Amino acid sequence: SQKIEQNSEALNIQEGKTATLTCNYTNYSPAYLQWYRQDPGRGPVFLLLIRENEKEKRKERLKVTFDTTLKQSLFHITASQPADSATYLCALERDQAGTALIFGKGTTLSVSS
Amino acid sequence: NAGVTQTPKFRILKIGQSMTLQCAQDMNHNYMYWYRQDPGMGLKLIYYSVGAGITDKGEVPNGYNVSRSTTEDFPLRLELAAPSQTSVYFCASSSGSNIQYFGAGTRLSVL
Repeated sequence: SQKIEQNSEALNIQEGKTATLTCNYTNYSPAYLQWYRQDPGRGPVFLLLIRENEKEKRKERLKVTFDTTLKQSLFHITASQPADSATYLCALERDQAGTALIFGKGTTLSVSS
Repeated sequence: NAGVTQTPKFRILKIGQSMTLQCAQDMNHNYMYWYRQDPGMGLKLIYYSVGAGITDKGEVPNGYNVSRSTTEDFPLRLELAAPSQTSVYFCASSSGSNIQYFGAGTRLSVL
């Protein structure tokens, strides 16, 4: 089965800078990879999905890249704001049946003003 | 739009007690999931269901049971609560798109 790692537990940046979060996986290349946001005391909320044949996906200030050679996805938040402070989780299919996801432990982003 | 609704929000159990965590979704999703989240440990899949009458084990099923008699409901049962089951439990649902929609969670303490 897949294994997934988010290398940084915490990331602190200043407002206006770009935050870059990393997600690595082992074993086979997944058909897609997802990113979720989780605020304290709340359930995760879906942000973006990128498929294996897509190199990059954007949504407003968010950008996700997917490198199947490096087995890595990068998640960027440009012009970061204090409201972006949260835990960000990456997720991909648990196995090749694709009926369930596995999640990384998350990276907690803190944006200071 | 209700989405995924979990009840209760909080519960304290004594060791050995049993309880059912309720989860209901109103999006007509076939797929439903139960996770537990411990501090610093990420989401661990307990059980999941791909449709009414079908359930399967996730990574950490021991000590839990589920049933799926309707598309809307996916209750999680703890039969003999243990301190190791102290956690935050999340229910989620999904259509065929694989994007999961989560409930607000149930915070359970077993003392």
